[in-house]
Amino acid sequence: EVQLVESGGGLVQPGGSLKLSCAASGFSFRSFWMTWVRQAPGKGLEWVASIKEDGSEKIYVDSVKGRFTIFRDNAENSLYLQMNSLTVEDTAVYYCAKPESGAYDKWGQGTLVTVSS
Amino acid sequence: DVVMTQSPLSLPVTPGEPASISCRSSQSLLHRNGYTYLAWYLQKPGQSPQLLIYLTSYRASGVPDRFSGSGSGTDFTLKISRVEAEDVGVYYCMQVVHTPVTFGQGTRLDIK
Repeated sequence: EVQLVESGGGLVQPGGSLKLSCAASGFSFRSFWMTWVRQAPGKGLEWVASIKEDGSEKIYVDSVKGRFTIFRDNAENSLYLQMNSLTVEDTAVYYCAKPESGAYDKWGQGTLVTVSS
Repeated sequence: DVVMTQSPLSLPVTPGEPASISCRSSQSLLHRNGYTYLAWYLQKPGQSPQLLIYLTSYRASGVPDRFSGSGSGTDFTLKISRVEAEDVGVYYCMQVVHTPVTFGQGTRLDIK
């Protein structure tokens, strides 16, 4: 069974940093691009970043470029999101997602990041 | 960025009745490989999004056949032939042809 389990969320002050993790199991993690999607409280879904199978290519939404870094450890079947210079607009539930046939067929349960003073 | 526009934003439906949600994209979602990369998700209250439809019209594993997707180019539709109570939640369309990946703003379906 495919499982994605996010962790690392919490309360952080504006300007602070946080590192999110996503533990993957039940599929060949190293064979898939992986993605982070976020959802601000009461709002819709926003794609954040994706990373190629071997980590050689990374793409980001403009609003996080230069602040967030997506990376992965295929030996550990884990996906990460390092978030720096956080602002209140980054407050959201962050999901990791696995692709299949041009869609995200599996999502984790999400981890809540709250940026507040 | 490709803008995905859904309508309606709110959809009250009587159980057993059909429902339809429209999604329009600001650019064509036809990839040069011939596939049209439009997907539909349902986010039930308190849950993560779940995939319903991919490649415009293919039902994801385990999705009831009362759900169907259609469309081409920039104009897409999700139809529910007979709404059930378990279908309540927010429906999103999504495109992955153009970077960044973008979602529609969501359509909230509830039961009358």
